[in-house]
Amino acid sequence: NAGVTQTPKFQVLKTGQSMTLQCAQDMNHEYMSWYRQDPGMGLRLIHYSVGAGITDQGEVPNGYNVSRSTTEDFPLRLLSAAPSQTSVYFCASSPRGVGDTQYFGPGTRLTVL
Amino acid sequence: EDQVTQSPEALRLQEGESSSLNCSYTVSGLRGLFWYRQDPGKGPEFLFTLYSAGEEKEKERLKATLTKKESFLHITAPKPEDSATYLCAVQTRANAGKSTFGDGTTLTVKP
Repeated sequence: NAGVTQTPKFQVLKTGQSMTLQCAQDMNHEYMSWYRQDPGMGLRLIHYSVGAGITDQGEVPNGYNVSRSTTEDFPLRLLSAAPSQTSVYFCASSPRGVGDTQYFGPGTRLTVL
Repeated sequence: EDQVTQSPEALRLQEGESSSLNCSYTVSGLRGLFWYRQDPGKGPEFLFTLYSAGEEKEKERLKATLTKKESFLHITAPKPEDSATYLCAVQTRANAGKSTFGDGTTLTVKP
């Protein structure tokens, strides 16, 4: 199993550009989440999904869109990048039920100029 | 609103010097409390899940405990390889699949 994979690993954008961060998991997990982590801080939830076709907002959803058409994939779209979105982005997946530990991807480091 | 507060922000220990990290939480209907370890430049890695007050889990030099208001991560005789950021997270029964994280404690163990 590859686990949770994220692409790209690094990305530099100009203000106003759009892009999609990719996340895929091969563990057949129902739950998937996107977080951002700023220096010296913990993880803040952007969006999450409890199954294909079902998504919901987290703490900091503004400026981001998600969709979940399959169990495996959960892309995060930045609509119009802003310098405030410079951060490290982590995708995570977890199985539903008791003991639903989250498995994290390696992260995408995004810089918006 | 769910809140998770971790203390201290940073902890420096000598090798072999035991200590504890604290995670205080305010949630309505705790489903589970999770501890993760994060190394620089990497994603968090799962350590423990605790579900009810009084529960304890152990792994090597780490032991996690849970009360109705807080959790402790006890580190016994730490080694330099235990240096990392330790994150605490909670999930509620009303929102399975949604986690709220604390800001973490960065542990440095000097040889």
